[in-house]
Amino acid sequence: DTGVSQDPRHKITKRGQNVTFRCDPISEHNRLYWYRQTLGQGPEFLTYFQNEAQLEKSRLLSDRFSAERPKGSFSTLEIQRTEQGDSAMYLCASSLVGAGESYNEQFFGPGTRLTVL
Amino acid sequence: RKEVEQDPGPFNVPEGATVAFNCTYSNSASQSFFWYRQDCRKEPKLLMSVYSSGNEDGRFTAQLNRASQYISLLIRDSKLSDSATYLCVVATGNQFYFGTGTSLTVIP
Repeated sequence: DTGVSQDPRHKITKRGQNVTFRCDPISEHNRLYWYRQTLGQGPEFLTYFQNEAQLEKSRLLSDRFSAERPKGSFSTLEIQRTEQGDSAMYLCASSLVGAGESYNEQFFGPGTRLTVL
Repeated sequence: RKEVEQDPGPFNVPEGATVAFNCTYSNSASQSFFWYRQDCRKEPKLLMSVYSSGNEDGRFTAQLNRASQYISLLIRDSKLSDSATYLCVVATGNQFYFGTGTSLTVIP
């Protein structure tokens, strides 16, 4: 399977715990995005990487959230001191954006569903 | 004001019907437009891009009106397999902004 993969698919945690999610993009895709989606809403942008550089972060991304893409391949999203309001589906997407382009089709992974008790 | 506004529906239509979804966007500098489809508990997948001249892919037709900042998706001859949530997506700068999605159920 050469699509975007995410791990774990489900995570249940207690309030106050830290959690980390992993995303493996499509090989050779230089852009990687993180989104959050709650029931009845569309995906909301959190942050994106161009290769290993984190270029933009949403105001939704509080200082409890941190994302990395250390080698420009896989990425991790960590949430510290989780709150019940963090319960959501966390989606990762990747795309291949050429020089001079701003965007291209994004391919999504299956998501990590987080439940904070 | 939200970047992208969509009527969440739900739309319940019989097989064979024609259904249209609309979407408005707030930023006149937005550059590209898409419709994504999301099945229940699945990830979004690109359905089609939307061009100023309008474009068609089989039973699906997308239209863009830049003056009114309005995007539409028309589905003709609805199939049961068209049941899903349709997300309007607007690309502004390097970001994709998603609407809340419009839920469609095609009834036998």
